[in-house]
Amino acid sequence: QKEVEQNSGPLSVPEGAIASLNCTYSDRVSQSFFWYRQYSGKSPELIMSIYSNGDKEDGRFTAQLNKASQYVSLLIRDSQPSDSATYLCAVRNNNDMRFGAGTRLTVKP
Amino acid sequence: GAVVSQHPSWVICKSGTSVKIECRSLDFQATTMFWYRQFPKQSLMLMATSNEGSKATYEQGVEKDKFLINHASLTLSTLTVTSAHPEDSSFYICSAQPGTGFNSPLHFGNGTRLTVT
Repeated sequence: QKEVEQNSGPLSVPEGAIASLNCTYSDRVSQSFFWYRQYSGKSPELIMSIYSNGDKEDGRFTAQLNKASQYVSLLIRDSQPSDSATYLCAVRNNNDMRFGAGTRLTVKP
Repeated sequence: GAVVSQHPSWVICKSGTSVKIECRSLDFQATTMFWYRQFPKQSLMLMATSNEGSKATYEQGVEKDKFLINHASLTLSTLTVTSAHPEDSSFYICSAQPGTGFNSPLHFGNGTRLTVT
């Protein structure tokens, strides 16, 4: 079982729609959770972090965390073509950060 | 804040030569830095954890004698790919975190694209 699992996609949504990206993790004592965006040929950049159960909103992005289900998600509202990228879920326990394989999102104009 | 600078951004070298990649934390000190490798259309793979003033910790399957890591100061870690071969061609990315708390995210350098001919 992979430590951090994501659907590889591709996930395709029309411009203006909500994109929903999901991630599950196996380490029950994980403490913090991060979403990164990686454009093709570039390094990952941090979008959001979340540490407690519930929702956390930042502009068009909402991260959701459910520790009981070991599940974290990222919603992108009003998706734009510029959001087309690979989204990486990262899970940390102490100094150990593990990444999912990423979900490739395509937003079609 | 929390800027990580990586140099060079790309390098082409001949098989058998060595290549050094630098990773600097510009506005924070990092006792720990991480080195990743990413092949095209694949996920990030953690190669090693670089510890300031001590030996790096390598992930299983990563040859420590081939990928030499030196973390000589709180703002600089280097990765040297020794006797590079075409199969070492990849995207190498370093990262660091400003602080040691569990809520401190990793910040990535811009990566180094290595091509070995």
